[in-house]
Amino acid sequence: QQQVKQSPQSLIVQKGGISIINCAYENTAFDYFPWYQQFPGKGPALLIAIRPDVSEKKEGRFTISFNKSAKQFSLHIMDSQPGDSATYFCAASNGGGSQGNLIFGKGTKLSVKP
Amino acid sequence: DTEVTQTPKHLVMGMTNKKSLKCEQHMGHRAMYWYKQKAKKPPELMFVYSYEKLSINESVPSRFSPECPNSSLLNLHLHALQPEDSALYLCASSLGLQGVREKLFFGSGTQLSVL
Repeated sequence: QQQVKQSPQSLIVQKGGISIINCAYENTAFDYFPWYQQFPGKGPALLIAIRPDVSEKKEGRFTISFNKSAKQFSLHIMDSQPGDSATYFCAASNGGGSQGNLIFGKGTKLSVKP
Repeated sequence: DTEVTQTPKHLVMGMTNKKSLKCEQHMGHRAMYWYKQKAKKPPELMFVYSYEKLSINESVPSRFSPECPNSSLLNLHLHALQPEDSALYLCASSLGLQGVREKLFFGSGTQLSVL
């Protein structure tokens, strides 16, 4: 019940295309859903995050769509660029003051071809 | 300064060695974390320090010993490690406010190889 299932494991997209990464969770106590981007040799960096009272959040080319009833959320990268090539991790936590209890998905390696 | 700085960037050690990983942040964050990340896997939480006190230990073997000397520094002391402990060790920090969903700031990590 603590798992966050992420798919696909890898994704190849042409430059200018839309990249879509999906995550699903079981624990209804989760109330914070961030996406992290990690380049090789670097630590993860927060990309965008959403709370369950919102169905969509957009920041530039990055959009999170959230479906509370289905317990699913997804990351959409519009106009994908080669510089977006990285590994993306979705995560979930039930805040409540407990820090660091992020449950990460297994990651998606995105390659954007020029 | 919005960085978490980790040293060294790379470390090779034998199974009988003692070494330490260091992490520093000057963002005024009061929560600091150690994560372990194996290749092509997500980060796994090891320890959390909140206001310089150890608040979470995720059943990590005693050959890993964390230390938080002050609010800006976090160390991870390593002793008698096993080859399977080879991984990227990530330090992170956050504001440390209770009840607030917080952004974690990660360092670039120390790539550890145990021979």
